[in-house]
Order: sequence, then structure tokens, then C-alpha cells
Amino acid sequence: LAKTTQPISMDSYEGQEVNITCSHNNIATNDYITWYQQFPSQGPRFIIQGYKTKVKNEVASLFIPADRKSSTLSLPRVSLSDTAVYYCLVGASDYGGYNKLIFGAGTRLAVHP
Amino acid sequence: GAVVSQHPSWVICKSGTSVKIECRSLDFQATTMFWYRQFPKQSLMLMATSNEGSKATYEQGVEKDKFLINHASLTLSTLTVTSAHPEDSSFYICSAGPRRSDTQYFGPGTRLTVL
Repeated sequence: LAKTTQPISMDSYEGQEVNITCSHNNIATNDYITWYQQFPSQGPRFIIQGYKTKVKNEVASLFIPADRKSSTLSLPRVSLSDTAVYYCLVGASDYGGYNKLIFGAGTRLAVHP
Repeated sequence: GAVVSQHPSWVICKSGTSVKIECRSLDFQATTMFWYRQFPKQSLMLMATSNEGSKATYEQGVEKDKFLINHASLTLSTLTVTSAHPEDSSFYICSAGPRRSDTQYFGPGTRLTVL
């Protein structure tokens, strides 16, 4: 059973900001929140990861409230090339390895001209 | 970020044959790697956890005798689809993460088509 819940699909237009929210009510204390982007016939690509508060990198921002039961991926000024499926996952490293990641359905983002 | 590669990127085989897919961590060591399968328009489904130097752990419903996993070194895991059938046609993806890191990186995937 996936640990996360996201909207199935979203639509946007070029140049707009897109916010995708993910629910993870049962997140464990050690879990990190990671977002991936996947294009057709490619492996998921790492976008951003955070534990709490706000994280920002050159492509996205990640907002995590204090209770950590949800997170929001923010993509500034999207372009057509941002059309993809976005996955939110929670997990953490373990002493002997890494806790497995269980994928939910993801959010299919379509960016229109 | 860390780099994970897969080989081959695609393969076509006849029904009944076996196919081996390699997953390599190029710039880090990985004691644990994961294998996923993805059907068209669907999400990734975890098949098994590959553990270096020990037996793989399979998810419920995944036949361990059909999907053989070997993790012989800290940078290489292999998935062998034995006696492949058309229903095994899918996109196979592996992932790995550096030790003591909380980030998993995914390979580019291998498209398997069984005729």
C-alpha cells in the first residue's frame, strides 16, 4: 500500500507556477520526502528532497508543514517540457540498507501552450 | 546526483528464452538495490530488494524462480527473467542509493519485449 496520495492529474499553461500537493499521513520520524519526475520510457528523475520546512533548488521548491503529513512541490514558470508524471515518495535509509519506496499513482501534469 | 545505469536499454526475445538485465551504480557503492516493473500508463511496481552478498527479498506475488536476482558486488545487481513469456513484456527499472544517504536514484530502464 502506497504511503502517499496525490491528485491524479493537473493541467497548466506555460509560464505559470504549478503546485502539487501530496498527503503522507503516516510518515515515520526518519522518513524523508522525495519528489521524482518521470517522462515516458525513462526512469524517474530526482527533483528535490526534504525533511521539514522549505527546501529550494534550481528547478523546484518543496514546502513541508510542521506536522509533515503533507508536502507541496512547487514548479515555477513551467514550460511544455515539464509535462510528465510527478511522484511523491517517503522513505529513509536504514542501518543495513534503504527502506523500499512504494510508488503511488503519481500526478500526471500536462502543460499547454 | 548519483548515476545508475542499466543494460541493455531494450531487448526483444523469443518466448521461452531467458534475459539478463544489469543495474550498475557508477559513482557509489550500494548494498541495496531495488527492481521495479512498469506497465504502460501505470506506476512503478516494486518487484524485489536486491541485497549485496545475500538473497533478494521479493514482494508478494513476484515469483522468485522466474525473476532471478543476483547482487554479487557493491555496484552491480542483475535481474534475469527466466523462460520469458509475452506477459513479461514490460519496462524494468532499478534504483540504488549511496550508503547512509536517504536518496534513491533510478536507472534509465530496460524495455523488454517477448515475442
